[in-house]
Amino acid sequence: GDSVTQMEGPVTLSEEAFLTINCTYTATGYPSLFWYVQYPGEGLQLLLKATKADDKGSNKGFEATYRKETTSFHLEKGSVQVSDSAVYFCALSLNSGYSTLTFGKGTMLLVSP
Amino acid sequence: DADVTQTPRNRITKTGKRIMLECSQTKGHDRMYWYRQDPGLGLRLIYYSFDVKDINKGEISDGYSVSRQAQAKFSLSLESAIPNQTALYFCATSGLHQQGTGELFFGEGSRLTVL
Repeated sequence: GDSVTQMEGPVTLSEEAFLTINCTYTATGYPSLFWYVQYPGEGLQLLLKATKADDKGSNKGFEATYRKETTSFHLEKGSVQVSDSAVYFCALSLNSGYSTLTFGKGTMLLVSP
Repeated sequence: DADVTQTPRNRITKTGKRIMLECSQTKGHDRMYWYRQDPGLGLRLIYYSFDVKDINKGEISDGYSVSRQAQAKFSLSLESAIPNQTALYFCATSGLHQQGTGELFFGEGSRLTVL
């Protein structure tokens, strides 16, 4: 079945450091890919998405590129802030009107001043 | 006010009790979902509904039931709660513009503890 694998956390960084959170996927078709973020005490919210190969999603300084050849969608940010501390979820959805989201297990990011 | 509202936000109950978690939305979306979040396991789909007359099981539906009372309301029930149902539960919605892309809108979560 379809699945998403993320690097385990927590990822601990100092402010202004470069961030990479790895995500790879297995899917039977050609999925759309997502990064969701969950801030402490809140629900998940969409951070960025890409719907086809080679697309780059970006938002709030974060970006991820849909790599079909490596089945990956790694999240990157050039300079993290304390306010980026959260749990990040990679997810996929097959491009069907009846599909649902499959999530990875989440990666906690802790950014210290 | 939140577009997707879950009640209660926190609940502590005992083994064997019946529990209902409620979700209401003002986004006008036709699709609603219930997920459960456990540390180290991510989010897992319990049930989902694509319209008022449609109910589908997710990957972990055993021990749960749902009711879609109206387009805007989707309730999750635990008929006889057990301790391993202790988790954070999320309701989510999606609508016409999100079909085929999978984008969801989440509530703030309901934390359930079963003693």
